[in-house]
Amino acid sequence: SQELEQSPQSLIVQEGKNLTINCTSSKTLYGLYWYKQKYGEGLIFLMMLQKGGEEKSHEKITAKLDEKKQQSSLHITASQPSHAGIYLCGADKYNQGGKLIFGQGTELSVKP
Amino acid sequence: SQTIHQWPATLVQPVGSPLSLECTVEGTSNPNLYWYRQAAGRGLQLLFYSVGIGQISSEVPQNLSASRPQDRQFILSSKKLLLSDSGFYLCAWNKIPNTGELFFGEGSRLTVL
Repeated sequence: SQELEQSPQSLIVQEGKNLTINCTSSKTLYGLYWYKQKYGEGLIFLMMLQKGGEEKSHEKITAKLDEKKQQSSLHITASQPSHAGIYLCGADKYNQGGKLIFGQGTELSVKP
Repeated sequence: SQTIHQWPATLVQPVGSPLSLECTVEGTSNPNLYWYRQAAGRGLQLLFYSVGIGQISSEVPQNLSASRPQDRQFILSSKKLLLSDSGFYLCAWNKIPNTGELFFGEGSRLTVL
């Protein structure tokens, strides 16, 4: 069974629209990490959330972690073609740093 | 600045042939190093990690092995490839120790025929 559930699996939005990607775990997490991947390339670290209720923003991307530290959302405001790619959440379930469990990813396409 | 490199970028190998993928980190010392595999379906699975020279931990039983002959070199190997070994292999390291903030290489795409 998938330990980290991401939804939706894919998303097509019109440029300028807002969107949200969700990541859910059945267990409390030590840390939740968001990464972005362009097809055929390595992952790029976006944000790290470690405290319940934490929220971080970078440019037009905001990530939140719920109080129970089991759900996270990634919100993109006014999407641009440069936001297209695969977004993956990674979880540190055992407080072991880089030994992450990843969700299946959400493929985002932004139509001009 | 720190960089991480992987090679080869692309590899097509027959079933039963050996494999060697290499990863090198520059600009840092004693990094924690990781090998992840991304199969069809996009999820990443941790294969191996290393906290130092000669120290390798395997996360899942498989047809692969890893070695760390030098501080900043991490090698993924197989003696005989299986079809199921096909995938996108990613090497990564921690910039901040004991966090999941990883820096990934460009990846090596392996196709086993």
